[in-house]
Amino acid sequence: QSALTQPASVSGSPGQSITISCTGTSSDLGGYNYVSWYQQRPGKAPKLLIHEVSNRPSGVSKRFSGSKSGNTASLTISGLQAEDEGDYYCSSYSAINTLVVFGGGTKLTVL
Amino acid sequence: QVRLEESGGGLVKPGGSLRLSCAASGFTFSDYYMGWIRQAPGKGLEWISYISTRGSPVYYADSVKGRFPISRDNAKNSLFLQMNNLRAEDTAIYYCARVPYSSSWSFELWGQGTLVTVSS
Repeated sequence: QSALTQPASVSGSPGQSITISCTGTSSDLGGYNYVSWYQQRPGKAPKLLIHEVSNRPSGVSKRFSGSKSGNTASLTISGLQAEDEGDYYCSSYSAINTLVVFGGGTKLTVL
Repeated sequence: QVRLEESGGGLVKPGGSLRLSCAASGFTFSDYYMGWIRQAPGKGLEWISYISTRGSPVYYADSVKGRFPISRDNAKNSLFLQMNNLRAEDTAIYYCARVPYSSSWSFELWGQGTLVTVSS
């Protein structure tokens, strides 16, 4: 069982917006602004989309945005495109046990 | 070209050892903290280790603590993971990754991964 909880799957049509949630505790996600989001396309290595809750690395599309409220973080993808299909993982610093915890991943399907 | 390339994976028997390497190119390796993350077949990501620029401090997930020492050779732009006393549950793709800065807990650059299979 993953330390952070994500929905197993989400879907949306091209052009729509979707949001993926990631729920933790006050000892990890809720207590620190070290939330990251990764995209993993089939057979590929993960790619960093968001770090420190809402910061996009250079080269990442503005269609990807992150936020956090309490113990839940969210990744929003606007203007959904077919190339956005894949698995999305959240992660956070954790003050207990392991230092970095991941969510179980969310499979995004573009209809 | 900024790149990380893992090597050293393969098939090993339970209780055996394996040493993974990660070759960095296109950036000043010694300026960055580095980490290892693994992904069991069909499963999610699991952080396993983290090393500072000079090799100390290092950090480990409980699942590998005492079995998988991490190290680096800045002169050779290389990161290593010595995997000892391997178990079936260690079967996974192992990724090395670069940390953007010392106080970050994210991984901004990933290698393509190397597969480790632990089976008799």
